[in-house]
Amino acid sequence: GQNIDQPTEMTATEGAIVQINCTYQTSGFNGLFWYQQHAGEAPTFLSYNVLDGLEEKGRFSSFLSRSKGYSYLLLKELQMKDSASYLCAVLDSNYQLIWGAGTKLIIKP
Amino acid sequence: ETGVTQTPRHLVMGMTNKKSLKCEQHLGHNAMYWYKQSAKKPLELMFVYNFKEQTENNSVPSRFSPECPNSSHLFLHLHTLQPEDSALYLCASSDPSGTVREQFFGPGTRLTVL
Repeated sequence: GQNIDQPTEMTATEGAIVQINCTYQTSGFNGLFWYQQHAGEAPTFLSYNVLDGLEEKGRFSSFLSRSKGYSYLLLKELQMKDSASYLCAVLDSNYQLIWGAGTKLIIKP
Repeated sequence: ETGVTQTPRHLVMGMTNKKSLKCEQHLGHNAMYWYKQSAKKPLELMFVYNFKEQTENNSVPSRFSPECPNSSHLFLHLHTLQPEDSALYLCASSDPSGTVREQFFGPGTRLTVL
């Protein structure tokens, strides 16, 4: 079966750095996405990785290792507005997105 | 309007009612999706339309019936729902010919079945 695993909840302090991990087992791989979803709102696209390595976009970075079936999302200089759920999703061989259950990130002052 | 819009934002219905959810995208995409999001569960893909043709139906009960009259509009018709169908229903669109193929989501319809 296809499976995406990520922690259910994480807590971090404003101004700090947090890393959210995601491991996957899917039938085929055509890229990995990270989305942010604030409570009661739509998921919004954060990043896309299809090759191994680190993609940096401002305070957010995403890393991929295809051989390990592993990705992480790194958030730096945390702000209160970063409190949200972060969803990991993999595009499988049929170009369908397989989703993780999301990681709820709580930022404390 | 830009992006993906959904109406209504909130819906409360009884088990014998018939209602419809509407989604409209203004992004020029040719693929549209219906998802169900329940608390603490992964997004569940319900239906996929590519160029107005349904390409996926992930074992969704027949009480959910999709309709895609054109590449900009998507409907989800609801009939004789169960309380366990209460959830956030999200519509998304994407460009299936794009390199990245990210999906753009609407704000969702929060459905409560009594």
